[in-house]
Amino acid sequence: DAGVTQSPTHLIKTRGQHVTLRCSPISGHKSVSWYQQVLGQGPQFIFQYYEKEERGRGNFPDRFSARQFPNYSSELNVNALLLGDSALYLCASSLELAGSYEQYFGPGTRLTVT
Amino acid sequence: DAKTTQPPSMDCAEGRAANLPCNHSTISGNEYVYWYRQIHSQGPQYIIHGLKNNETNEMASLIITEDRKSSTLILPHATLRDTAVYYCIVRGGGIGGFQKLVFGTGTRLLVSP
Repeated sequence: DAGVTQSPTHLIKTRGQHVTLRCSPISGHKSVSWYQQVLGQGPQFIFQYYEKEERGRGNFPDRFSARQFPNYSSELNVNALLLGDSALYLCASSLELAGSYEQYFGPGTRLTVT
Repeated sequence: DAKTTQPPSMDCAEGRAANLPCNHSTISGNEYVYWYRQIHSQGPQYIIHGLKNNETNEMASLIITEDRKSSTLILPHATLRDTAVYYCIVRGGGIGGFQKLVFGTGTRLLVSP
């Protein structure tokens, strides 16, 4: 089975632009979470979606938004990009059945804002 | 979520066991201990988790103390490919509901020949 996939792998944007990152979860997984990892730090939680509903949100500004589609794939949108948004953006999916809540991560999207 | 404390770095010789400690003295009764690792520039990889019993899978063993205030991840025969940052995370259990992973700074394990 394929793991979590993310696209694009890398991208470069300019300050003030908008970006959309995409994630496809492992087949059968209904929960998708997004994390931001700045260089030298551990991943920081941004959003979690389950069955197309937002279930949790981290301490990120309203410039960050996300959604989950009927096929459980997800998009993370960031508006008005700042230099500080440069990071590795990670998507993780989870089966969400009793006894199986571990999250499986994709390879990430490396965003550089110039 | 309870906070965890890990040493910033550890070294291990190839072929030897790597024992990575984690302190989680404020863990509550329904919180699980999860271990992930992150090899340079890749997404974190799930390793193992446990509640109060010791656990073993094909990757590692997890030893949780009886009072659950600390745990040790054991890689029985470390290889060069085990060089990574290892994260110990405590998160709530239960069925469903919002459960996020709170990553600290982890332990950087260097396996040398």
